[in-house]
Amino acid sequence: GAGVSQSPSNKVTEKGKDVELRCDPISGHTALYWYRQSLGQGLEFLIYFQGNSAPDKSGLPSDRFSAERTGGSVSTLTIQRTQQEDSAVYLCASKPGLSADTQYFGPGTRLTVL
Amino acid sequence: GNSVTQMEGPVTLSEEAFLTINCTYTATGYPSLFWYVQYPGEGLQLLLKATKADDKGSNKGFEATYRKETTSFHLEKGSVQVSDSAVYFCALGDYKLSFGAGTTVTVRA
Repeated sequence: GAGVSQSPSNKVTEKGKDVELRCDPISGHTALYWYRQSLGQGLEFLIYFQGNSAPDKSGLPSDRFSAERTGGSVSTLTIQRTQQEDSAVYLCASKPGLSADTQYFGPGTRLTVL
Repeated sequence: GNSVTQMEGPVTLSEEAFLTINCTYTATGYPSLFWYVQYPGEGLQLLLKATKADDKGSNKGFEATYRKETTSFHLEKGSVQVSDSAVYFCALGDYKLSFGAGTTVTVRA
């Protein structure tokens, strides 16, 4: 079946612009996660959703970062007023429910802020 | 909080050599432990997992045992192939994952 998909695969933007990253989880997966993979910080948790609610936003680096999920499916991660330190690969993952062990990862969106 | 310390490498081996990548953790409670692998140009894939102490996860010839007494989850493979060249990540967690820094493994023919 279809895996987790993310779009765009690559995004180049100028400092100060806003960007939106999209994640389509595996159909039926109620739990959805965003992570960031960067050279300096490794793989970091950002936020997770159970359904449309986000019980844990503790990994969002600043108030420029926000995320939403609608219809218990697609999620969008928005970064406002991008900075060069936001350059990273943003990964989305999903799993059937919170009690499930395994998260399934998408291919990621590579964000470059010039 | 939870954290993972992983041998960073890089590690370069010849085909058929023995591979071990050390991973130790600190955790609240007894979370599940995972090894994820990222092949060149591909996304993160689950390699193996263990959900409780003394469990052994295994897949594709790789093994790791959840050791509570040493808080470790070392990854081993007895005979590596060129196709095992990848970045390996140790991770722990239940509802969210904490990852190690990743270990780049290169296997030469």
